Amino acid sequence: DAKTTQPTSMDCAEGRAANLPCNHSTISGNEYVYWYRQIHSQGPQYIIHGLKNNETNEMASLIITEDRKSSTLILPHATLRDTAVYYCIVSSSGSARQLTFGSGTQLTVLP
Amino acid sequence: SQTIHQWPATLVQPVGSPLSLECTVEGTSNPNLYWYRQAAGRGLQLLFYSVGIGQISSEVPQNLSASRPQDRQFILSSKKLLLSDSGFYLCALERGGASYEQYFGPGTRLTVT
Repeated sequence: DAKTTQPTSMDCAEGRAANLPCNHSTISGNEYVYWYRQIHSQGPQYIIHGLKNNETNEMASLIITEDRKSSTLILPHATLRDTAVYYCIVSSSGSARQLTFGSGTQLTVLP
Repeated sequence: SQTIHQWPATLVQPVGSPLSLECTVEGTSNPNLYWYRQAAGRGLQLLFYSVGIGQISSEVPQNLSASRPQDRQFILSSKKLLLSDSGFYLCALERGGASYEQYFGPGTRLTVT
């Protein structure tokens, strides 16, 4: 699986949009971009995934650049409960998806 | 919707002792199952995954083993624990097919002393 690079930490004011970047310059054509988050002492939670097109669901939006070498996760209106470590992962869609979690970005939403 | 049960929630074991962690799932059939470990302050490391009963793939050579005796049961074991086995052990499931999400259980926090 391709490796990803994320900033170690970010702060965001409550109610503002949180934009979390991720670089995945060695991504292969059949690899998806996944985002998960982990709140302290809990298991990770799936947020969103995409291949080429931008995606949006009830939690977030995912913007993938045209060359697919980077992406941005957008939380449109961050709340205090969004404080967590956010992981950007790239993985192919095989019979079992082997997700490689890096260090992620610690997002702190400030009141 | 699917549910993942893991027990125990916490465990303190001495070095050299055996280990058995159990994961059971409900609400889905023939899921892909995964064991991850998270050392303190680190990201998650995939240990094992299984696409069916008796089918185990190992990602990291170590003193741990996994088994899947039933469709909805995944067991992580060790004959002799090491200090480095301490961590947060998470079981996850993926429904397979067109599903892209992995759902994680509540985890077991293991401390080897």
